[in-house]
Amino acid sequence: IAGITQAPTSQILAAGRRMTLRCTQDMRHNAMYWYRQDLGLGLRLIHYSNTAGTTGKGEVPDGYSVSRANTDDFPLTLASAVPSQTSVYFCASTPSGTGEHEQFFGPGTRLTVL
Amino acid sequence: GQNIDQPTEMTATEGAIVQINCTYQTSGFNGLFWYQQHAGEAPTFLSYNVLDGLEEKGRFSSFLSRSKGYSYLLLKELQMKDSASYLCAVMDSNYQLIWGAGTKLIIKP
Repeated sequence: IAGITQAPTSQILAAGRRMTLRCTQDMRHNAMYWYRQDLGLGLRLIHYSNTAGTTGKGEVPDGYSVSRANTDDFPLTLASAVPSQTSVYFCASTPSGTGEHEQFFGPGTRLTVL
Repeated sequence: GQNIDQPTEMTATEGAIVQINCTYQTSGFNGLFWYQQHAGEAPTFLSYNVLDGLEEKGRFSSFLSRSKGYSYLLLKELQMKDSASYLCAVMDSNYQLIWGAGTKLIIKP
C-alpha cells in the first residue's frame, strides 16, 4: 500500500441497505477525514478523526457514522442508504489535525443509491 | 456563515497565463490551500498560503491578502494537461477545511 486506498471503487446500492466504505492509509497520519463531493458544490466534510480513538462530526454528518479503532483505518458506514447519499466519497489524511499540512486524498468511491 | 467564492469555469489558451480568483469569508483563518483535481480523480495539493504575499512554485504561483479575504492562483505557460478543476479551501478556526465549489479550467490549443 502506498498512501491512501479506498474500497470499493464504485457501488450501486438499493435504498435502505447498509453500506461501509473502507479507507486505509499507511503514512501513520494522525488525522483522517471523510468528504462527499457533489456536482456544483465544494467538498463537504462528513466526519473526521484527529487521532485514533476519537471522532468528530463535520458539516453533513446525518445518516453516516465512523469509527477509528487504529491509526490506519477509518471506515464510513451508511446505516440505511437514501438516494440523496448518491455522491463521490473521498477519504483524506494529514499528519496532524491542527497543523498547516496538506491533506492527502484517496482515489474516491462513487456511490449510487437507487 | 462561511463562504468561499470562485468562478465556475474559465477558458484559456495553451501557452498563455491565467489567474483564478478566490474570495472567502470564514470563522477564523489558519491558511488557504489550492488543490488541482482532474476529472474523475482525487484532489492533489498545489499550494498553501498563511501570510500575505506571493508564493511561487514553478509555473504556479499563489497570492494571499488576508485583509481583503482574497487569493488567486496564477498559472503560467499553460499546457493542455493543466485542464482540470482548481479548488480553493480555507482552514477555519477549528482547523477544518472549508472548500469552494472549484473552477473548471479549459485549455484550448
